[in-house]
Amino acid sequence: ETGVTQTPRHLVMGMTNKKSLKCEQHLGHNAMYWYKQSAKKPLELMFVYNFKEQTENNSVPSRFSPECPNSSHLFLHLHTLQPEDSALYLCASSQDQVYGYTFGSGTRLTVV
Amino acid sequence: AQSVTQPDIHITVSEGASLELRCNYSYGATPYLFWYVQSPGQGLQLLLKYFSGDTLVQGIKGFEAEFKRSQSSFNLRKPSVHWSDAAEYFCAVGGHMEYGNKLVFGAGTILRVKS
Repeated sequence: ETGVTQTPRHLVMGMTNKKSLKCEQHLGHNAMYWYKQSAKKPLELMFVYNFKEQTENNSVPSRFSPECPNSSHLFLHLHTLQPEDSALYLCASSQDQVYGYTFGSGTRLTVV
Repeated sequence: AQSVTQPDIHITVSEGASLELRCNYSYGATPYLFWYVQSPGQGLQLLLKYFSGDTLVQGIKGFEAEFKRSQSSFNLRKPSVHWSDAAEYFCAVGGHMEYGNKLVFGAGTILRVKS
């Protein structure tokens, strides 16, 4: 248990489905992140939230919609995804860069 | 802008042999530097970090790394590799507030351990 919990661990969805990924941390951190990790590609930062406010959106398609209702929870809402969106989606949190990030175990998403 | 280069995509070492994974960074000021490890299908786990002081830092699982400012490097080492060390390793650099509260990751190095 790393302190950052992601659910579900695995998700298979059709291209017309709507689903959500959930991330929860009780470490008292004030920043949360979504990363996408595809096979043979570097980690891609998708979104950054600081104190519940979105501070970065790295040109992510609108079919990915983040939500951060409070500093402990982060969601990624998914709709009309494409097969190339299949990847491991990682959530992380941090208090300060000095301490680094704490990552969750990820959600393995497969779009069929 | 910050950037991180891990020159080796794959490295294979024999069990019991020593290991060095290379990391070079580009950053204008004193960086915060990190090494993470990722087992298949898992998240990233922090191995060690450097932000000031002694340039040789010790981490978990017997790993260490040395910050060399003159070479802009932060190489990860382990004197004797175990089969359980097979994983992917990521170097990351972070800066100060003017660069945003985020880390920049290298592309990773996959370590294979042969018996």
